[in-house]
Amino acid sequence: EAGVTQFPSHSVIEKGQTVTLRCDPISGHDNLYWYRRVMGKEIKFLLHFVKESKQDESGMPNNRFLAERTGGTYSTLKVQPAELEDSGVYFCASSSGTGAGNTIYFGEGSWLTVV
Amino acid sequence: ILNVEQSPQSLHVQEGDSTNFTCSFPSSNFYALHWYRWETAKSPEALFVMTLNGDEKKKGRISATLNTKEGYSYLYIKGSQPEDSATYLCAFRNDYKLSFGAGTTVTVRA
Repeated sequence: EAGVTQFPSHSVIEKGQTVTLRCDPISGHDNLYWYRRVMGKEIKFLLHFVKESKQDESGMPNNRFLAERTGGTYSTLKVQPAELEDSGVYFCASSSGTGAGNTIYFGEGSWLTVV
Repeated sequence: ILNVEQSPQSLHVQEGDSTNFTCSFPSSNFYALHWYRWETAKSPEALFVMTLNGDEKKKGRISATLNTKEGYSYLYIKGSQPEDSATYLCAFRNDYKLSFGAGTTVTVRA
């Protein structure tokens, strides 16, 4: 069974450009999360989808970030316009449920460098 | 902001030796504690999901304990091997989201 897959694995863009990251969760997982790790700091929560609905987007840093999950399958995270401080690794994760014992599975991350 | 701390930040272990390190987290509103093993450019690998005070879990040579009343978890590696070299992340969960520590980076020397 395929795990959480993310695309692209690496991206280098100039400040002011737009980047769109894609995540395919594990098949059948209704819960999809975005996290990021910037500047070598801790991995931090961005938002949580349940199917196509945003359950919690409290971690989104500002309105330059837009996440969608049309149809409740794959998700995209768009950064527009990108700033230098957005550089880091963006992780997508998914889970079958939100019970205490549920494992949350992570993808390999999309490594973003803004120059 | 939930304060999840891991110590030490890094450690070096001789092959064959055992080691352990700590994750401390808020003792209130506990839901679950997750441990992940992460090698850069790979997916963080889920090791354990711990939910009950006193939980002890084991996966091969790696085990973990949980104390929710005092807010800490230990992860143990028995008989370290070079393939155990990685960053071990703990994450505290009090609702739907995880709050991660900075990780403990383990380097096993052959």
